[in-house]
Amino acid sequence: AQSVTQLGSHVSVSEGALVLLRCNYSSSVPPYLFWYVQYPNQGLQLLLKYTSAATLVKGINGFEAEFKKSETSFHLTKPSAHMSDAAEYFCAVSVNTGGGNKLTFGTGTQLKVEL
Amino acid sequence: NAGVTQTPKFRVLKTGQSMTLLCAQDMNHEYMYWYRQDPGMGLRLIHYSVGEGTTAKGEVPDGYNVSRLKKQNFLLGLESAAPSQTSVYFCASSYFRSAGSEQFFGPGTRLTVL
Repeated sequence: AQSVTQLGSHVSVSEGALVLLRCNYSSSVPPYLFWYVQYPNQGLQLLLKYTSAATLVKGINGFEAEFKKSETSFHLTKPSAHMSDAAEYFCAVSVNTGGGNKLTFGTGTQLKVEL
Repeated sequence: NAGVTQTPKFRVLKTGQSMTLLCAQDMNHEYMYWYRQDPGMGLRLIHYSVGEGTTAKGEVPDGYNVSRLKKQNFLLGLESAAPSQTSVYFCASSYFRSAGSEQFFGPGTRLTVL
């Protein structure tokens, strides 16, 4: 079975600073990895996904993530935080099992952006 | 396109009451999912459907039933609500079967069971 660990349930950065949200996965087969963002009182929105094409994945709103197989990691970064980035971020993993794309989510990281 | 919609947005139940949550999607997606979101636990899959007339259990199915009578609708039922089912419920859908396929989420239903 696959799993995801997100280190840090709360991360606080200053506006303009680097954003780094950590995600490590566990999977016995090649995984597909996702980052979703949830703004207050809304559903989840896809930021980016890794599907084995390129290890550095660029997403929306200036976010990117790098798949590192040797470290089993898929950390999310953004060079310069903006106030509008304040939200909860979820890392998720999915594998091909023949039964549809069931996602396994991490516990989430709440990002706070301060002036 | 409305995408994925959920009805109702909020609901308060008493222990033992029943209710049905409705999820609708207008994207002609084959696959639909119900998740629950609890603080510090992320989202967990309750039930899912790989097509009209089919349903399957997810990670936390106990206490819930589902039906997919029409391709665009996926219903989640609670026959006898318990306080442990207080949660935010999200419906999602996807077009492709592949594990790399994006899931599209609804806005959620916040359920409180007293």
